[in-house]
Amino acid sequence: KAGVTQTPRYLIKTRGQQVTLSCSPISGHRSVSWYQQTPGQGLQFLFEYFSETQRNKGNFPGRFSGRQFSNSRSEMNVSTLELGDSALYLCASGLGGFDTGELFFGEGSRLTVL
Amino acid sequence: SQKIEQNSEALNIQEGKTATLTCNYTNYSPAYLQWYRQDPGRGPVFLLLIRENEKEKRKERLKVTFDTTLKQSLFHITASQPADSATYLCALENTGNQFYFGTGTSLTVIP
Repeated sequence: KAGVTQTPRYLIKTRGQQVTLSCSPISGHRSVSWYQQTPGQGLQFLFEYFSETQRNKGNFPGRFSGRQFSNSRSEMNVSTLELGDSALYLCASGLGGFDTGELFFGEGSRLTVL
Repeated sequence: SQKIEQNSEALNIQEGKTATLTCNYTNYSPAYLQWYRQDPGRGPVFLLLIRENEKEKRKERLKVTFDTTLKQSLFHITASQPADSATYLCALENTGNQFYFGTGTSLTVIP
């Protein structure tokens, strides 16, 4: 079956702009979570959605937001971009129940903020 | 706050040897722990999951142990190969599908 698809794979923005990233989970997965990965901080949890509801949110400012659609596809948005937002943004899908096993990651969206 | 530490940023070993990676955690009592592999520019890929009531789990050349008293997991790759070179991440799940990841150990297997 198809894996997790993230678009776009690469993008370059300037400070102050906003960006929207998209994630299509594996068919049948209702949980989508987002992570930011940087060399210094590693993988950091942004938020998780399940059946269109945000269930958890990490310690990121309000400029980072997301949503999930009825078909489980998810988007995340970053407004007023800062240089420090340059990172690999990873989306992961899963079954969504606690202790239900692994996360399936997409290849990520590499964001560069100039 | 929860903290997950992987004890070395980089590990170099000779081909054929056993690689041992360590994951230590504090302020947390996980029901299970996971290990992932990540290649440069790619998303992490799930390798193994071990539950708190399991002391050891094996999958082909991979072995994971989980000591809830020491709050530590060890990840072993036996008969290592250059293709095993990658970054390995351990992860714990908080309630409600919020995962905490270690910063990873970069493994290089030298031919």
